[in-house]
Amino acid sequence: EAGVVQSPRYKIIEKKQPVAFWCNPISGHNTLYWYLQNLGQGPELLIRYENEEAVDDSQLPKDRFSAERLKGVDSTLKIQPAELGDSAVYLCASSFRYGDEQFFGPGTRLTVL
Amino acid sequence: GQQVMQIPQYQHVQEGEDFTTYCNSSTTLSNIQWYKQRPGGHPVFLIQLVKSGEVKKQKRLTFQFGEAKKNSSLHITATQTTDVGTYFCAGRGNYGQNFVFGPGTRLSVLP
Repeated sequence: EAGVVQSPRYKIIEKKQPVAFWCNPISGHNTLYWYLQNLGQGPELLIRYENEEAVDDSQLPKDRFSAERLKGVDSTLKIQPAELGDSAVYLCASSFRYGDEQFFGPGTRLTVL
Repeated sequence: GQQVMQIPQYQHVQEGEDFTTYCNSSTTLSNIQWYKQRPGGHPVFLIQLVKSGEVKKQKRLTFQFGEAKKNSSLHITATQTTDVGTYFCAGRGNYGQNFVFGPGTRLSVLP
């Protein structure tokens, strides 16, 4: 069974530029999560989807971050414009249903210069 | 909001020694999950605890959920170099809140 797929794995951009991350969850998983992980810290939830509905985006900085999960399958997280403080690893995870074990993708390491 | 803390932040052990990490929540939890993240890797699910006082074992790993469902522990017996990594707990509150991850305990095992 294929795991959670994320791309790109690494991204280096200059501040004020836009950037987008893509995630393809495990087939059949209804719940999709986007997390941000800073070095030496635990993952912090940005947004959670149940199918195509964003059920919790309270931690998403909506002035610059946006996300979508069209058709309830793969998802895209966008930052526009990026700031220096956005440098981190962006993790996507999925679970069959909310509360089940979460399967994480390899993450996208973003560096903003 | 809900806060999850873990101690210690770092632990260095000699191979063969035991290791324990503790997870404490500011609020009562409905359930708790434990994950392991190898250096340069992503979190990998280890186990989920749901019942008060629950104890689960996976080979050399023993997981415990406190009676008050506000704390949990992970104990590794006779550590091996393959146990190196950061161990995270993630707790979910009683009212459908999202899982909140602790800051993790980074384990180093010296051969």
